[in-house]
Amino acid sequence: GAVVSQHPSRVICKSGTSVKIECRSLDFQATTMFWYRQFPKQSLMLMATSNEGSKATYEQGVEKDKFLINHASLTLSTLTVTSAHPEDSSFYICSAPRANTNEQFFGPGTRLTVL
Amino acid sequence: GENVEQHPSTLSVQEGDSAVIKCTYSDSASNYFPWYKQELGKGPQLIIDIRSNVGEKKDQRIAVTLNKTAKHFSLHITETQPEDSAVYFCAANNYGQNFVFGPGTRLSVLP
Repeated sequence: GAVVSQHPSRVICKSGTSVKIECRSLDFQATTMFWYRQFPKQSLMLMATSNEGSKATYEQGVEKDKFLINHASLTLSTLTVTSAHPEDSSFYICSAPRANTNEQFFGPGTRLTVL
Repeated sequence: GENVEQHPSTLSVQEGDSAVIKCTYSDSASNYFPWYKQELGKGPQLIIDIRSNVGEKKDQRIAVTLNKTAKHFSLHITETQPEDSAVYFCAANNYGQNFVFGPGTRLSVLP
């Protein structure tokens, strides 16, 4: 299957700082990528859809000024959590669909802990 | 919009027994139904999927069945092994639309 990578795998930061998470599709191009957040023992909740060359589409209730998304190339999308607070601590996962199919491939996730 | 329900939320089976997880969906336009396995601290991994033009698909010990009329689909794992222990998520979508995930099933295979 296709490979999607995320970096870093885990990050610990102080409250008020910003954290950037990278999502890369390694062997295919992705004009769209998805960002999910997963709290312990819960399902994946879609945060936003990242579109190459245009603005991201955010789900209802997700603050676009707090979760900045940049999809600068066909293989890279970044999620920046700005002014992080302890309640932002979560597991963030990206996914990328292969072109012209329904299939989505998920990254390994990034564990964010805000102190 | 689409709504996906999943049952049971937890499932414990003895090693070697079968496990069945069921999902229902609400949007009759959905045409793709994947199943993901998520181990602790890792991202979801696609284990099997089925499209709406097929009623059943099998891959070794794993099978998925789809009933479009009733709008439900099921994951079947036979001859379970301890390494099958994980959280399993079903999902549904229509081409070009976002995935909607079920709440997950925590499967424990007891040795």
